[in-house]
Amino acid sequence: DAKTTQPNSMESNEEEPVHLPCNHSTISGTDYIHWYRQLPSQGPEYVIHGLTSNVNNRMASLAIAEDRKSSTLILHRATLRDAAVYYCILRDTSGSRLTFGEGTQLTVNP
Amino acid sequence: NAGVTQTPKFQVLKTGQSMTLQCAQDMNHNSMYWYRQDPGMGLRLIYYSASEGTTDKGEVPNGYNVSRLNKREFSLRLESAAPSQTSVYFCASSLENYGYTFGSGTRLTVV
Repeated sequence: DAKTTQPNSMESNEEEPVHLPCNHSTISGTDYIHWYRQLPSQGPEYVIHGLTSNVNNRMASLAIAEDRKSSTLILHRATLRDAAVYYCILRDTSGSRLTFGEGTQLTVNP
Repeated sequence: NAGVTQTPKFQVLKTGQSMTLQCAQDMNHNSMYWYRQDPGMGLRLIYYSASEGTTDKGEVPNGYNVSRLNKREFSLRLESAAPSQTSVYFCASSLENYGYTFGSGTRLTVV
């Protein structure tokens, strides 16, 4: 499986945008980029995924670099409820299982 | 919709005891998964089932068995629990190429 690299931790202030980076230099053409988050004492929660084009949904936006070797999850206005571990995961189009790394611990300051 | 339901939520076992963790989903998903998460770490895949009637080993299958009882249910069995199996266990389900839905977890302590 292709590997992703994320910072161990990031901090943000409430109501400010947050940009969570992910590097995946060995991504293949059939890999989707998935993002999940895990709030304290809960199971992971699907956030967003994309293949080549930028994607938006009610939770976040996903910006994918033109060469697809990196991506950024964007939370437009962070709230205290967004404090969580965010995982960037590659999954190929055959629907292979998800392999979790250590993710980025996001702290949101009031 | 309930989504993915796991039972029990908490369990304490003595070393050598056996137990089965139950998981059921009501979203008509084909694939189901069992992960474990140790403190401060990411999730590791134990077993998965791509469709009813099939199961495959994941990253850390030793000490576990699974049964895909039907499309809805996927159980995880510990035949002889060991302290190293103290962890939080998550069940998940998905359709191909779509996001996973996770349950709320079972917190297992083996003493």
